[in-house]
Amino acid sequence: QVQLVQSGAEVKKPGSSVKVSCKASGGTFNNSALSWVRQAPGQGLEWMGRIVPLTDVTNYAQKFQGRVTIIADKFTDTAHMELSSLRSEDSALYYCVREGVRLGELYTYMDVWGTGTTVTVSS
Amino acid sequence: SYVLTQPPSVSVAPGQTARLTCGGNNIGSKTVHWFQQKPGQAPVLVIYYDSDRPSGSPDRFSGSNSGNTATLTISRVEAGDEADYFCQVWESSSDEFVFGTGTKVTVL
Repeated sequence: QVQLVQSGAEVKKPGSSVKVSCKASGGTFNNSALSWVRQAPGQGLEWMGRIVPLTDVTNYAQKFQGRVTIIADKFTDTAHMELSSLRSEDSALYYCVREGVRLGELYTYMDVWGTGTTVTVSS
Repeated sequence: SYVLTQPPSVSVAPGQTARLTCGGNNIGSKTVHWFQQKPGQAPVLVIYYDSDRPSGSPDRFSGSNSGNTATLTISRVEAGDEADYFCQVWESSSDEFVFGTGTKVTVL
């Protein structure tokens, strides 16, 4: 079973950018899509965007449009999420998540979650 | 944007049945997935495609989806079911995933 290993915790200043990486271990992305989801302390889950590494097609949540960039390298099975113009409200645990799809279905589901990366934004 | 509303908390005695709702406009026309998240852990899929259980999900978990409400039912509740539960859909009008607000299940 593939595992998604993420980069280590980050501490950033307001207004700066952060780049989080996610590498598949014990498998590959294959034809899967990869989403990024964040969770602020004590809060719910918030979807940020996704990429299909095979085609580099991306979708971004309207809330993060213009501030988030997701890229993937299908040859190294690594994806990156960069969030710019950081503010304190961006302090959260960030997950990359592989999407699976059941045969015959149109829509995907999130089946493998990454190890998580804590991003702290503080002056 | 599409909104999924869940009750903040549900309390249930061991052995009883918990019913967690996820409300959204015409959610019955969408595909709903449910996640369980225990403290300090990543979410785990417990129901997908409205009512099916992925491998490893106990048969005490079941789901339904109709009209404006999707429901996750936990039968014969155990102490280990204490967790936060989130519903999720893909909103095709905006090409976005949407998560529900989450329900904290407390086992009395």
